[in-house]
Amino acid sequence: QVLLVQSEPEVKKPGASVKVSCKASNYTFSDYGVTWVRQAPGQGPEWMGWISPYNGKTDYAQKFQGRVTITTDTSTNTAYMELRSLRSDDTAMYYCARDPRTSYLDYWGQGTLVTVSS
Amino acid sequence: EVVMAQSPATLSVSPGERAALSCRASQSLSINLAWYQQRLGQAPRLLIYGASIRATGIPARFSGSGSGTEFTLTISSLQSEDFAVYYCQQYNDWPRTFGQGTKVEIK
Repeated sequence: QVLLVQSEPEVKKPGASVKVSCKASNYTFSDYGVTWVRQAPGQGPEWMGWISPYNGKTDYAQKFQGRVTITTDTSTNTAYMELRSLRSDDTAMYYCARDPRTSYLDYWGQGTLVTVSS
Repeated sequence: EVVMAQSPATLSVSPGERAALSCRASQSLSINLAWYQQRLGQAPRLLIYGASIRATGIPARFSGSGSGTEFTLTISSLQSEDFAVYYCQQYNDWPRTFGQGTKVEIK
């Protein structure tokens, strides 16, 4: 079955950066996009950005432009999301998800909790 | 960006009853809409895409309808495992956006 396994929880101070990984298995990694979504406590999901592992093309939500970078390593079937200049309101669960056609999200990782606190 | 409005915020339903959840978009989406279920402490799970197509392994009691700006997710006979939060998501425009969710709770 399709699996997306994310890295462990992180605690960061304001102003720092975090890099979350998402390792994919049991499908052809380059055939599907990877989307990153975050969810603050008690809130709905928020779309952050997307990457095509096939050609590296990305698209980011304007809210995160300049602060987020999404990359992939096709040799290890892993996607990464780096968020910089962290603030307390970046505290959230961060999810990666498989994206068949830059559209809906058919498989999700388990989530990585990022806590930003001084 | 496209704003997704879900109603009601909370729906109280007895097991075995039918539930209808609404999702309204601020502009036309054609049928580029998905529904997700999120149980407590879990990642969202895809239920419906293309407004009405059930994802792999989703029981037939879940159905989606609508097009344009008005969409509905119907659960025909609620089972205990269906009490959760449901989100709609549009993929007609960038950035993709989600609704704030409808919590389906036991009456």
